[in-house]
Amino acid sequence: GAGVSQSPSNKVTEKGKDVELRCDPISGHTALYWYRQSLGQGLEFLIYFQGNSAPDKSGLPSDRFSAERTGGSVSTLTIQRTQQEDSAVYLCASGETGETQYFGPGTRLLVL
Amino acid sequence: QQQVKQSPQSLIVQKGGISIINCAYENTAFDYFPWYQQFPGKGPALLIAIRPDVSEKKEGRFTISFNKSAKQFSLHIMDSQPGDSATYFCAASPGTYKYIFGTGTRLKVLA
Repeated sequence: GAGVSQSPSNKVTEKGKDVELRCDPISGHTALYWYRQSLGQGLEFLIYFQGNSAPDKSGLPSDRFSAERTGGSVSTLTIQRTQQEDSAVYLCASGETGETQYFGPGTRLLVL
Repeated sequence: QQQVKQSPQSLIVQKGGISIINCAYENTAFDYFPWYQQFPGKGPALLIAIRPDVSEKKEGRFTISFNKSAKQFSLHIMDSQPGDSATYFCAASPGTYKYIFGTGTRLKVLA
């Protein structure tokens, strides 16, 4: 079946611009996660959705970062006024709470 | 207490050799321990996972060894192949949504 998909696969933007990253989870998965992976680094947790609500936003680095999920499905991660340190791979994962997380291919963001 | 410590950071193995990656944790509430494999430019993919009621799980050339008393678990890749060259992440979860990931091990298998 279809896995987690993310778009765009690559995004180059200028410092100060806003970006939106999209995640389409596996159909039926109630849990959705966003992670950030900097070059050669591990996975940094950003936010967790259960259905459309986000009980844990503790990993969002600043108030420039926000995310929403609609219809218990698609999620959008928005970064406002991007900074060069936001450059990273943004990974989305979906699953059932307490069970395996399935990752998408990621969006590679480069802020110039 | 929420950390998962992974070692080594990088590993070079000859083709046909055994690759061993280790992880250690502190939180005894963790009860699910997956390993993920990540190729360059791709997202992590689940490789194999174990729960603490067993001490070992084997799937093909991949084996997880789990030592509950030592709070350690390891991934063994038998007969390592160049196609196994990737970054490997261990993780631990207390059975909730939260995953704590290790920092990753970059494996290179020489042909």
